[in-house]
Amino acid sequence: DAGVIQSPRHEVTEMGQEVTLRCKPISGHNSLFWYRQTMMRGLELLIYFNNNVPIDDSGMPEDRFSAKMPNASFSTLKIQPSEPRDSAVYFCASSLDREDSPLHFGNGTRLTVT
Amino acid sequence: RKEVEQDPGPFNVPEGATVAFNCTYSNSASQSFFWYRQDCRKEPKLLMSVYSSGNEDGRFTAQLNRASQYISLLIRDSKLSDSATYLCVVNDRATTSYDKVIFGPGTSLSVIP
Repeated sequence: DAGVIQSPRHEVTEMGQEVTLRCKPISGHNSLFWYRQTMMRGLELLIYFNNNVPIDDSGMPEDRFSAKMPNASFSTLKIQPSEPRDSAVYFCASSLDREDSPLHFGNGTRLTVT
Repeated sequence: RKEVEQDPGPFNVPEGATVAFNCTYSNSASQSFFWYRQDCRKEPKLLMSVYSSGNEDGRFTAQLNRASQYISLLIRDSKLSDSATYLCVVNDRATTSYDKVIFGPGTSLSVIP
């Protein structure tokens, strides 16, 4: 049974470049979350989708960040232009649309912006 | 006050010891609670859900105290493999009508031989 799949695992890019992170949630899960984790700030929720619709994007840092979910099996998080302070591990997680349903995380994408 | 708070530790305990972590949450209407563990450079993984009556899974026991708004995790007979960061998680869906999943900052545990 496949879990949440994220790609790439690692991304190294130069400041100013566009970065696209990808996520495939667990089949049948209709809630999808993007998190960012750094040593200083811990796990921060960036955006939450339910049934492909963005419900809460209050955690998206600024206009340089955008996220889409064109269908139930795919989501992207894009940073354009990237900055060194965007360096972090980005996690995607999915769950069933039930309060007692736990989140299942992907392996994460480790982003380094130089 | 932060929505979910934990003692960051680190907790350094010898093998075989019993260790307990607490977590406090600010929203008294919160309904769903979880403990996750996260190993270094890995993703968080569900350790256990926390039920109102308390629940146990092997060496791990989780408890919920609604009156004081805290949850706890007890690890008995700790193993070297228990070394990780333990994250307290609260889902505020009951009050927001959507999943608002909030992670605590985590408590670091090191089990020493």
